[in-house]
Amino acid sequence: KAGVTQTPRYLIKTRGQQVTLSCSPISGHRSVSWYQQTPGQGLQFLFEYFSETQRNKGNFPGRFSGRQFSNSRSEMNVSTLELGDSALYLCASSLSRAGNTIYFGEGSWLTVV
Amino acid sequence: TQLLEQSPQFLSIQEGENLTVYCNSSSVFSSLQWYRQEPGEGPVLLVTVVTGGEVKKLKRLTFQFGDARKDSSLHITAAQPGDTGLYLCAGLNSGAGSYQLTFGKGTKLSVIP
Repeated sequence: KAGVTQTPRYLIKTRGQQVTLSCSPISGHRSVSWYQQTPGQGLQFLFEYFSETQRNKGNFPGRFSGRQFSNSRSEMNVSTLELGDSALYLCASSLSRAGNTIYFGEGSWLTVV
Repeated sequence: TQLLEQSPQFLSIQEGENLTVYCNSSSVFSSLQWYRQEPGEGPVLLVTVVTGGEVKKLKRLTFQFGDARKDSSLHITAAQPGDTGLYLCAGLNSGAGSYQLTFGKGTKLSVIP
């Protein structure tokens, strides 16, 4: 079965712009989470969505937001981009909120210049 | 805030050697997962351990979950160049209705032919 699909894979944005990243979970998976990965901080939790509702949010500023649609696909948005937002953004899906098996997509590489 | 300390941070060994990577925390996790990540790709799930004291084997890789579910180890026997990559441990916190992974900073393994 198809894995977690993230688009776009690579993008370059200018400071102050906004960006929207998309994630299609594995078919049948209803829980979607987002993580930011940087060389200095490693992987850090951004949000968790289930049944179109944000269930949990990590310690990130309000410029980071997201949503989940009825088909479980999810988007995350970052507004007023800063240089420090340059990172690999990873989406993960699992069957349910209590699912112990979590699968990651290949990520979206964001570079802010 | 739950933290996972992973050690060593970097490891460079010769092909055929054995190695162990450690993942320690003062917190209890409902499960612990090990991932391997290649440059430019998302983490790929290797194993999930759920029960304290559990041992799982995946070919030359042996994973152990501590009795108290606070720590884990990954042992690789007779390492191969194909084992090269970033190994990440992640604890799943499912307390208080929250479902998120807390990641260690990772162990970057290089296996020299």
